[in-house]
Amino acid sequence: ETGVTQTPRHLVMGMTNKKSLKCEQHLGHNAMYWYKQSAKKPLELMFVYNFKEQTENNSVPSRFSPECPNSSHLFLHLHTLQPEDSALYLCASSHPGQGADTQYFGPGTRLTVL
Amino acid sequence: KNEVEQSPQNLTAQEGEFITINCSYSVGISALHWLQQHPGGGIVSLFMLSSGKKKHGRLIATINIQEKHSSLHITASHPRDSAVYICAAAPNFGNEKLTFGTGTRLTIIP
Repeated sequence: ETGVTQTPRHLVMGMTNKKSLKCEQHLGHNAMYWYKQSAKKPLELMFVYNFKEQTENNSVPSRFSPECPNSSHLFLHLHTLQPEDSALYLCASSHPGQGADTQYFGPGTRLTVL
Repeated sequence: KNEVEQSPQNLTAQEGEFITINCSYSVGISALHWLQQHPGGGIVSLFMLSSGKKKHGRLIATINIQEKHSSLHITASHPRDSAVYICAAAPNFGNEKLTFGTGTRLTIIP
């Protein structure tokens, strides 16, 4: 048990659907991250939040919309996705501002866009 | 060319063998991470190191800052070690943005 949970674990959606991914951490961290992992490609950072403020948007298309209502919860709202957005979406958390501090990952949501 | 390169991409070995996975990076770093990803996707942080060597059980990680190279070793490998091993570079001047390698898929055969 990593202390970082993600729901749902699997999601299949059509291109016109709207869905949300949820991440919750119980580690007392104040930095949270969304990553995308596509087949045969390195993990790609999407968004970083520090103390609920977005500090990094790695040129992510607007069809992905993050929300961080508090330091323990992070959402990724999905709208009009494309089949190439099918991937494993991973959430992570860490202590912020410490550069290389260990990040703790959730189990991921396997997303399939039809 | 990726800023973080791993080799080999795939490695199959017999149970008990000594395993080495390599990571080379071209960016300045404050630390290097080794991560383990099991089938199903969950990622576990194994090591974070900025110099020298760290050991945890059968796992050993080393880093040579001058050569910009790190290695992950597994002694007395076991089928449960089968996973994807990923190295990630944490950049200088402290921010949270890691640069990841593409991973090494390790399979240990009983």
